[in-house]
Amino acid sequence: QKEVEQNSGPLSVPEGAIASLNCTYSDRGSQSFFWYRQYSGKSPELIMFIYSNGDKEDGRFTAQLNKASQYVSLLIRDSQPSDSATYLCAVNHSGAGSYQLTFGKGTKLSVIP
Amino acid sequence: EAQVTQNPRYLITVTGKKLTVTCSQNMNHEYMSWYRQDPGLGLRQIYYSMNVEVTDKGDVPEGYKVSRKEKRNFPLILESPSPNQTSLYFCASSHRLAGGTDTQYFGPGTRLTVL
Repeated sequence: QKEVEQNSGPLSVPEGAIASLNCTYSDRGSQSFFWYRQYSGKSPELIMFIYSNGDKEDGRFTAQLNKASQYVSLLIRDSQPSDSATYLCAVNHSGAGSYQLTFGKGTKLSVIP
Repeated sequence: EAQVTQNPRYLITVTGKKLTVTCSQNMNHEYMSWYRQDPGLGLRQIYYSMNVEVTDKGDVPEGYKVSRKEKRNFPLILESPSPNQTSLYFCASSHRLAGGTDTQYFGPGTRLTVL
């Protein structure tokens, strides 16, 4: 059973703070990892992907991967009210170019002005 | 503009009446997939396709069919819909660029109600 676990939240942070979103997964053979943002009533939007252990930074977002601990996280620096959304973690169980994804149930983030 | 389109966006139907939800992408992506999203269950993959005429089951394929006769289109077929297929459905297309960058786009969603 390939499982992806996220804290459902809601996670509330003040504007300007760092939001930390966490995700654990069960399949040790997982190849790549994705974070999506989904605003209420909208479709998911890919914001970060990571394949290798360590950190990957893109603007205010940092994805962190620890395959030994089967743990992936997303940090959002200088959080803005526009970051308020549900964040979905997804794990790819297949190789490059294929997208057999298992999603977590999402963490709802609220950034308080 | 990169786009994944789905039709219809909203559909109310009755049990047993065959329906098709269309999905089309304009990015020449090889990989397409269908998901359903339900409260408390999250997004679950129904079927995926790695290229024309290549499809495979995701985590929740029961009650659904797909076909991939053209690269741009990936319709989802419900031969005999049941109320437990009431859900929000998303189509997605994906591609890994040279250098290992993943691109992925979701369609706007189709809200299906089966009475």
